[in-house]
Amino acid sequence: ETGVTQSPTHLIKTRGQQVTLRCSSQSGHNTVSWYQQALGQGPQFIFQYYREEENGRGNFPPRFSGLQFPNYSSELNVNALELDDSALYLCAVGAGGDNEKLFFGSGTQLSVL
Amino acid sequence: AQSVTQLDSHVSVSEGTPVLLRCNYSSSYSPSLFWYVQHPNKGLQLLLKYTSAATLVKGINGFEAEFKKSETSFHLTKPSAHMSDAAEYFCVVSGNNDMRFGAGTRLTVKP
Repeated sequence: ETGVTQSPTHLIKTRGQQVTLRCSSQSGHNTVSWYQQALGQGPQFIFQYYREEENGRGNFPPRFSGLQFPNYSSELNVNALELDDSALYLCAVGAGGDNEKLFFGSGTQLSVL
Repeated sequence: AQSVTQLDSHVSVSEGTPVLLRCNYSSSYSPSLFWYVQHPNKGLQLLLKYTSAATLVKGINGFEAEFKKSETSFHLTKPSAHMSDAAEYFCVVSGNNDMRFGAGTRLTVKP
């Protein structure tokens, strides 16, 4: 058990809708990052938050946005869903720094129809 | 910019034989390198990490990896495979608040 909880575990949406995915951890890790893992591929970095501010972003459009709350929980929001957004979304928490260990949640499986 | 290439999408070994999962990286920074394992329906688990200390890194479950700067490689090895090692393995390079995963190598262990 990593102590990282993601909700919901599975979600079905239709194209054009908006979705919010959530992540929380038992410990007060001050960084949280989100990844998109398409079927059969490695996770792709979406963005990272440190102390409630975005401090790193991968190659994802602005309709992917996030929040980190004072209690270190986090949300990933995706607007105007597209079919290609169907994937496993992973949240990871850590203490910060490029060489720090990340603890991953089990992910939210999003299907866009 | 940085990237990771895992040279084999699928590796199959017999139980008790050595495991070699290959990874090459590219980075503009002094990278941190990791290997993660993903079992079905479970989160990613860190096997080991390299952070510019010893070039031979020992991880959990008998895995180790050697950082070779001249070859830009970070191959993962284990002397003797166990059935429980069957999973997806990801090589990861990290730098400048950006973490890049390889496409993964699926390890199959035959009895």
